[in-house]
Amino acid sequence: TQLLEQSPQFLSIQEGENLTVYCNSSSVFSSLQWYRQEPGEGPVLLVTVVTGGEVKKLKRLTFQFGDARKDSSLHITAAQPGDTGLYLCAGGKSNYQLIWGAGTKLIIKP
Amino acid sequence: DAGVIQSPRHEVTEMGQEVTLRCKPISGHNSLFWYRQTMMRGLELLIYFNNNVPIDDSGMPEDRFSAKMPNASFSTLKIQPSEPRDSAVYFCASSAGTGVVKQYFGPGTRLTVT
Repeated sequence: TQLLEQSPQFLSIQEGENLTVYCNSSSVFSSLQWYRQEPGEGPVLLVTVVTGGEVKKLKRLTFQFGDARKDSSLHITAAQPGDTGLYLCAGGKSNYQLIWGAGTKLIIKP
Repeated sequence: DAGVIQSPRHEVTEMGQEVTLRCKPISGHNSLFWYRQTMMRGLELLIYFNNNVPIDDSGMPEDRFSAKMPNASFSTLKIQPSEPRDSAVYFCASSAGTGVVKQYFGPGTRLTVT
């Protein structure tokens, strides 16, 4: 069974703090995607990383793909209440299949 | 442009009843996915269509579940008979091209079976 473990499962911090969410597996993925899901809506893609060691930045969000393409991290600098949501990582295994993490529920308190 | 459209948004039904969920993918997208999301199991792929053909239905829980895609602009997921353990949020997603590309999710249907 291919697993993608996310940590932490839940994180509640104050506005302005930094945080990192991790996504780990023993399997190698062809790509790694990060999605954000808000209550009552479907997940929305934030970024796709495909190369081992790749780093992508999206404003205050920094995404990194591990050198061995088995893990990834999402770092948020100076978190804002608008960052609140469920963050999901998904590893690409075939030409269509995604292996999904269980998600990290993030709450940013004003 | 309209995103992925799902209906109904909420469905409450009694155990044993038939439930039909509907999805209209984004025009021009050739891949369609049905997912189920629960607190316990997270997001699970139920079935994947490519060019209206079911490619992978290994995630369909059992024979009570069936999915169709009669044309490029419409798909249904049917549960008959429904059971309380089917209660979940069901998402439809579509994408263009092949490979692991961006999937566009609909708003989901929250199903409650009592």
